[in-house]
Amino acid sequence: SQELEQSPQSLIVQEGKNLTINCTSSKTLYGLYWYKQKYGEGLIFLMMLQKGGEEKSHEKITAKLDEKKQQSSLHITASQPSHAGIYLCGADQTGANNLFFGTGTRLTVIP
Amino acid sequence: DTGVSQDPRHKITKRGQNVTFRCDPISEHNRLYWYRQTLGQGPEFLTYFQNEAQLEKSRLLSDRFSAERPKGSFSTLEIQRTEQGDSAMYLCASSNQGLAYNEQFFGPGTRLTVL
Repeated sequence: SQELEQSPQSLIVQEGKNLTINCTSSKTLYGLYWYKQKYGEGLIFLMMLQKGGEEKSHEKITAKLDEKKQQSSLHITASQPSHAGIYLCGADQTGANNLFFGTGTRLTVIP
Repeated sequence: DTGVSQDPRHKITKRGQNVTFRCDPISEHNRLYWYRQTLGQGPEFLTYFQNEAQLEKSRLLSDRFSAERPKGSFSTLEIQRTEQGDSAMYLCASSNQGLAYNEQFFGPGTRLTVL
């Protein structure tokens, strides 16, 4: 079965600092999704990566998928309190149906 | 607002009672998914529909769970004879198969507490 490991499990940074969250899969990924979740709420779609070596950016968030399509990183530049939340990576295992999620990384940004 | 909506947002019930949750997907989306999320974990897939057909069910979906999407629009998830282990956030998501990739849009979730 698919396994997704996220690291670190939690992260506390000072506002303005850069940070990176990693997501490692035990299998080759058909698609890798990054979501953000505020505590007790639904998931907000951030980015989806499909091709090996692909990189996407939105505002201050950049996500990359390595060439072997088994590891992805999410990088936040100049973090702000609004970036705080739980970041989840989700894997499309078959290219068709359900997503398999990691356990998440809880980000706290101290003003 | 044309996002995914779920009702109720919170449900507290006693063990042994039945509960039903509703999900209204984005109107043009033909796929609808149910996930369960417990504290400190990522969402776990339960089941999904393409239009009105339920195409896949997880092993997590015991016989006490049933989901329907009768007209290919909204969906209901019923849990019979609830147990304390059913306490979780139940998330619904929808997507459009016609897109190049399976981006799923999530609703706000229904938080179930079984006493």
